[in-house]
Amino acid sequence: EAQVTQNPRYLITVTGKKLTVTCSQNMNHEYMSWYRQDPGLGLRQIYYSMNVEVTDKGDVPEGYKVSRKEKRNFPLILESPSPNQTSLYFCASSFLWGAGEQFFGPGTRLTVL
Amino acid sequence: GQQVMQIPQYQHVQEGEDFTTYCNSSTTLSNIQWYKQRPGGHPVFLIQLVKSGEVKKQKRLTFQFGEAKKNSSLHITATQTTDVGTYFCADQSGGSNYKLTFGKGTLLTVNP
Repeated sequence: EAQVTQNPRYLITVTGKKLTVTCSQNMNHEYMSWYRQDPGLGLRQIYYSMNVEVTDKGDVPEGYKVSRKEKRNFPLILESPSPNQTSLYFCASSFLWGAGEQFFGPGTRLTVL
Repeated sequence: GQQVMQIPQYQHVQEGEDFTTYCNSSTTLSNIQWYKQRPGGHPVFLIQLVKSGEVKKQKRLTFQFGEAKKNSSLHITATQTTDVGTYFCADQSGGSNYKLTFGKGTLLTVNP
């Protein structure tokens, strides 16, 4: 089944404890992206990747890192999480930039205490 | 950066009534995508509009792209309870900027 998977789905952590949220797609998509969703603010893009080893900042990249060493994986790294990073995170992928549909993962709900 | 305004923020209708959400920008939009997110779910792609003045239909849903490419709309005819959710528009910026900018969404609730 074609899909985007994220892990973990739920995470409660403490300030400053490094964490990684994994994202994987099995559709051979080139474009991958991370978003955060907050009440009243909608979906905001954190980072995106056009292809392996090609990443760039979205609108809210501060406090996040990403890497794209393999085409299928695009992990989101929070080196030192803070409470303002408490949010619902979505990973998404599409075949090519501008090629239409982005497929979203199920989301990761992160709480930073 | 590019900003996409979406109105209304909320809309409550009786089942069978029509519903419209609007997406506006002060600058020219590149490609507009529409997504639906059910409560507790993830965004699901509905459609992409590319051409000025484009109109596309999916059953009871009608999508329009303005002639000046500065606005777009989604209209649902005769809403059903299955239409409940948040509808987002998103602008695919062009040029060297490969970002997708979402509107804040319109939450639609339907009273059966």
